[in-house]
Amino acid sequence: NAGVTQTPKFQVLKTGQSMTLQCAQDMNHNSMYWYRQDPGMGLRLIYYSASEGTTDKGEVPNGYNVSRLNKREFSLRLESAAPSQTSVYFCASSVLTGLETQYFGPGTRLLVL
Amino acid sequence: SQQGEEDPQALSIQEGENATMNCSYKTSINNLQWYRQNSGRGLVHLILIRSNEREKHSGRLRVTLDTSKKSSSLLITASRAADTASYFCATDYDYKLSFGAGTTVTVRA
Repeated sequence: NAGVTQTPKFQVLKTGQSMTLQCAQDMNHNSMYWYRQDPGMGLRLIYYSASEGTTDKGEVPNGYNVSRLNKREFSLRLESAAPSQTSVYFCASSVLTGLETQYFGPGTRLLVL
Repeated sequence: SQQGEEDPQALSIQEGENATMNCSYKTSINNLQWYRQNSGRGLVHLILIRSNEREKHSGRLRVTLDTSKKSSSLLITASRAADTASYFCATDYDYKLSFGAGTTVTVRA
């Protein structure tokens, strides 16, 4: 039982390049989330998926897209990376949205030059 | 927008001492959660307290909730070096969680 896994662990991009961050969970959770964490700002929600087949914007969705590929997998895509997207990205999952405990992956550190 | 704010931002204590941190929030909640983050790792859930509860214990952790003051506190008793981490409170809003900026706790040997 691996919990929530994320790939890659670390990535360097040049401005304008694209990439997809992958997330998978093996806990049969319905809801999945993407957050970014910047120094001194806590976690901010980018997008979430309440259940398979649905996705919704969070607090900071601009510059990102997501895909809920199936119940296990939720990917985050940066179409044209910008230095402002340099951050640590965390994927999380929960049984249901909102009131439930969330389980986090180890994070992806992204540096955009 | 961030609903919860932790205080203090940073805390340094001696091993064996207690650590207390507070969280204030703005709007009514259904529950409040505390998470821990060790350096370079993901967040780990510590404890959840519901709006109709006033106090909850889990091992060396004690959480209180005062809905009239819109505040919560997390007490770690008899701290250990392994408690060195950042601690975040999270409140629910619109079926999502809002995290504060965290309290960084350093436990000195």
